[in-house]
Amino acid sequence: NAGVMQNPRHLVRRRGQEARLRCSPMKGHSHVYWYRQLPEEGLKFMVYLQKENIIDESGMPKERFSAEFPKEGPSILRIQQVVRGDSAAYFCASSPVNLVSTSGVNTGELFFGEGSRLTVL
Amino acid sequence: QKEVEQDPGPLSVPEGAIVSLNCTYSNSAFQYFMWYRQYSRKGPELLMYTYSSGNKEDGRFTAQVDKSSKYISLFIRDSQPSDSATYLCAMSARQAGTALIFGKGTTLSVSS
Repeated sequence: NAGVMQNPRHLVRRRGQEARLRCSPMKGHSHVYWYRQLPEEGLKFMVYLQKENIIDESGMPKERFSAEFPKEGPSILRIQQVVRGDSAAYFCASSPVNLVSTSGVNTGELFFGEGSRLTVL
Repeated sequence: QKEVEQDPGPLSVPEGAIVSLNCTYSNSAFQYFMWYRQYSRKGPELLMYTYSSGNKEDGRFTAQVDKSSKYISLFIRDSQPSDSATYLCAMSARQAGTALIFGKGTTLSVSS
């Protein structure tokens, strides 16, 4: 069972260009979360999506950032007109609708991908 | 005050030592507490999950939650070099379908 797949793993962009990061959740998972990790900072929540719906985008910058999770295909985090401050690792995580562990407890566990590292020159 | 505070370390210990990692938080609505481990250049992976107050043990790892003090801990017994990683605490107010709030992470190095 493949895990959460993110691509590209590394992306270099010049200021003003666009960055597109893709995330394919684990099989059977319909919830996707995007987090950003800046150097020396923790993981910061950006957006939570289900298929064709943005559920919570309270962590998304108001401008230049957008996310989607279409009915078919991966979730995409799009950053327009990138600036140097956008350089970070962007992690995608997924969870199923109802996750019950072997102990019968819903753990609400998030399964993370290996991240996409964006460098803005 | 930040919602979740975690000492970033780094923390260096010899193999076999007992390690204590801690987080404090300010939001009394948090009920679900997790510890994630992140190896360098990798994504975080869930280590421990605890609901409300109490202890949970899994092998060499013990998670403790003290909601009255808004304080959570992760203990690692008989630490191994393979435990060298960044440990992130995370918490949420709801069981699922909600954003986790993470601490900054504590970097641990275990020397052989």
